[in-house]
Amino acid sequence: GAGVSQTPSNKVTEKGKYVELRCDPISGHTALYWYRQSLGQGPEFLIYFQGTGAADDSGLPNDRFFAVRPEGSVSTLKIQRTERGDSAVYLCASSFGQGEGNEQFFGPGTRLTVL
Amino acid sequence: QKEVEQDPGPLSVPEGAIVSLNCTYSNSAFQYFMWYRQYSRKGPELLMYTYSSGNKEDGRFTAQVDKSSKYISLFIRDSQPSDSATYLCAMSGYTGGFKTIFGAGTRLFVKA
Repeated sequence: GAGVSQTPSNKVTEKGKYVELRCDPISGHTALYWYRQSLGQGPEFLIYFQGTGAADDSGLPNDRFFAVRPEGSVSTLKIQRTERGDSAVYLCASSFGQGEGNEQFFGPGTRLTVL
Repeated sequence: QKEVEQDPGPLSVPEGAIVSLNCTYSNSAFQYFMWYRQYSRKGPELLMYTYSSGNKEDGRFTAQVDKSSKYISLFIRDSQPSDSATYLCAMSGYTGGFKTIFGAGTRLFVKA
């Protein structure tokens, strides 16, 4: 079956603009995660959804970042007033059950560049 | 100090060599230990997953966890050029949430 998909694959924007990044998880996966990966670093946890609710959003760096998953499937990561430091690859992953002990399947990521 | 420390490398070995990759961690609440492989411009893919201490073997790959030392390892036997990638250790446990913490990744090059 299809894996996790993310759109767009690349996004270039200007400082101060608003962006939305989309994640389509594997069908039937109830858990969904967002990570941010900077060059030469491992993925950094942002937020984790179980169904429609955010079970852990402790990784969101500030209130410019927000994520939703209104129907328990597709999720959108929203970044307001983008800054150059937001440039990174944003990865989405999904798993069949709750976080611990369940394999997370990653999408290819969205490469965000803020000029 | 980071919760998970991993030498970024790069590590360059000849084809057929045994590769040893390692991570240390500081949070004793971690119970699940994972190794992911990431090719350039791709998402990470799970290689090995271990719960608590012990060894796990899968083909050419062996994962070891020593909770008393807070040290985990991944061994790759008979390394192949196709093993060239970044290897990320990751761990999770109930730490007030269920987030997974990744190491910085070690870049591995296997020369033919």
